[in-house]
Amino acid sequence: TQLLEQSPQFLSIQEGENLTVYCNSSSVFSSLQWYRQEPGEGPVLLVTVVTGGEVKKLKRLTFQFGDARKDSSLHITAAQPGDTGLYLCAGALNTGKLIFGQGTTLQVKP
Amino acid sequence: NAGVMQNPRHLVRRRGQEARLRCSPMKGHSHVYWYRQLPEEGLKFMVYLQKENIIDESGMPKERFSAEFPKEGPSILRIQQVVRGDSAAYFCASSPLRTEYGYTFGSGTRLTVV
Repeated sequence: TQLLEQSPQFLSIQEGENLTVYCNSSSVFSSLQWYRQEPGEGPVLLVTVVTGGEVKKLKRLTFQFGDARKDSSLHITAAQPGDTGLYLCAGALNTGKLIFGQGTTLQVKP
Repeated sequence: NAGVMQNPRHLVRRRGQEARLRCSPMKGHSHVYWYRQLPEEGLKFMVYLQKENIIDESGMPKERFSAEFPKEGPSILRIQQVVRGDSAAYFCASSPLRTEYGYTFGSGTRLTVV
């Protein structure tokens, strides 16, 4: 059974602080995806990383895929209240299935 | 081009009734996935379908749950004889290929069993 361990599960920080969310597995994935989910809505894709060691930036968000394609991180610089939400990492298997982590609930206080 | 459409958004069923959840994928998408989410948890894979075929149903409970994606019409997730433990948010996602490049999710159906 493939598992994706995401940490921390909950994070409450002040506006302007930096944070990192981690996603780790013993399995190798063909890609790693990050989603953000608002209450009452479906997850929305933020980014996909495919190549080991790949780094992608989306404004204040930086995503990294580990060299062995087993782990990933999401770093947010100078967090804002609008960043509040549930962040989910998901690993893609060759079968087409996505395995999701448990999610990180982020609260950014003004 | 509408996104993935799920209906109903909210569904209340009494124990023992049947629940039918519908999902219309994005235009041009031939791959459909169903996931279940409990409060404060990530998404659990249930089933992966292409038109008229079930590709992977390893996440589906063996009894009472079934899914289809007919040649015409939406994908249907059917839960027979619902129990309180079936209460959850059910999400459908679609993709154009068997892709590792990300899904497009619908807004989900919130099933409440009373």
